[in-house]
Amino acid sequence: DAGVTQSPTHLIKTRGQHVTLRCSPISGHKSVSWYQQVLGQGPQFIFQYYEKEERGRGNFPDRFSARQFPNYSSELNVNALLLGDSALYLCASSSQGDEQFFGPGTRLTVL
Amino acid sequence: AQSVTQLGSHVSVSEGALVLLRCNYSSSVPPYLFWYVQYPNQGLQLLLKYTTGATLVKGINGFEAEFKKSETSFHLTKPSAHMSDAAEYFCAVLSGGYQKVTFGTGTKLQVIP
Repeated sequence: DAGVTQSPTHLIKTRGQHVTLRCSPISGHKSVSWYQQVLGQGPQFIFQYYEKEERGRGNFPDRFSARQFPNYSSELNVNALLLGDSALYLCASSSQGDEQFFGPGTRLTVL
Repeated sequence: AQSVTQLGSHVSVSEGALVLLRCNYSSSVPPYLFWYVQYPNQGLQLLLKYTTGATLVKGINGFEAEFKKSETSFHLTKPSAHMSDAAEYFCAVLSGGYQKVTFGTGTKLQVIP
């Protein structure tokens, strides 16, 4: 069975641009969460979506947005990129239980 | 509010020695607790989890952790370190009405041959 997949693997952008990151959950999982992991730190919660509705939001500015599609895949959008947005962005999926399964992440570099 | 504190950002052990990675948490409700491992340039892999029931939890690769409510701790141990255990380890807590997982800052484990 395929695990959580994320695309692209790596991405380089310049300040002020916007970026879209994509995530496909494990088949049958209806919940997707997004995390930002800055180098040397633990992952920080950004969003959780369940059944296409936002269920939770972390302490991130409105430049960050997300959505979930009918097939439960998800996109994370970041507008007006800043240097500080450079990070590994992790997607995790879960069913109704407590365990989240993480994808390999998208490494975003903002120059 | 919930938080996780991992004592020691870097831990070095000799191959074959005991591994002990410390984690303390705070949570206003009974927590679910997790340990994840992250290898370079990879995502997170679940090592073990505590939800309810037995407080000593066994995970993959010979790791285990004990939930101690009185000490608000969930330390990770392994009796004998292997070179392949070198990685970064994250303790995490889940609580609240939705699945927001709060991570600690991580501990990098170095295994010395």
